[in-house]
Amino acid sequence: RKEVEQDPGPFNVPEGATVAFNCTYSNSASQSFFWYRQDCRKEPKLLMSVYSSGNEDGRFTAQLNRASQYISLLIRDSKLSDSATYLCVVFDTGRRALTFGSGTRLQVQP
Amino acid sequence: GAGVSQTPSNKVTEKGKYVELRCDPISGHTALYWYRQSLGQGPEFLIYFQGTGAADDSGLPNDRFFAVRPEGSVSTLKIQRTERGDSAVYLCASSLGFGTDTQYFGPGTRLTVL
Repeated sequence: RKEVEQDPGPFNVPEGATVAFNCTYSNSASQSFFWYRQDCRKEPKLLMSVYSSGNEDGRFTAQLNRASQYISLLIRDSKLSDSATYLCVVFDTGRRALTFGSGTRLQVQP
Repeated sequence: GAGVSQTPSNKVTEKGKYVELRCDPISGHTALYWYRQSLGQGPEFLIYFQGTGAADDSGLPNDRFFAVRPEGSVSTLKIQRTERGDSAVYLCASSLGFGTDTQYFGPGTRLTVL
């Protein structure tokens, strides 16, 4: 079983749609959680951190459920420029490195 | 300001050859990480440096892989006797400190072993 699991997609949605991605992680001792965005043939870039209280950044909302070991990302009012792969990421304090999911591909269509 | 840079951007080599991949972290960043990303997968941790020392090399797949950071800044990932399975994008990241500080990734080196 992978440490971080995501639905690979692709999610094909029209502009303006709301789309949600989910992710589960297996290490209950994980302490920090993130969503990264990766464009085709580019490096991953931090989109946002994820907290138990939930956090919002413009059209993006992230949520963490520690009891279920579940992380979500909600994108409202999708733009063409949101098309990318979204990587669910967990920070392993023991290893002190990031553990990535395989990513969920989003394609926003006009 | 300057981000993380990696050279070369692309490297094609033949099976059995030796390769070196270089990473220049953001100035002042003490933590440096190497990851490997295969097609359709997320990056996988290889090794982490805090300063000059390798704090954790548990992700290196075998003893053909080695990395150094002699002066606590630039790092080189070295792969001996390359195999076709080593083909991937090798990503370097740096952060101000270790722990949960944001990691900034370089553009990667795409390694192809023929």
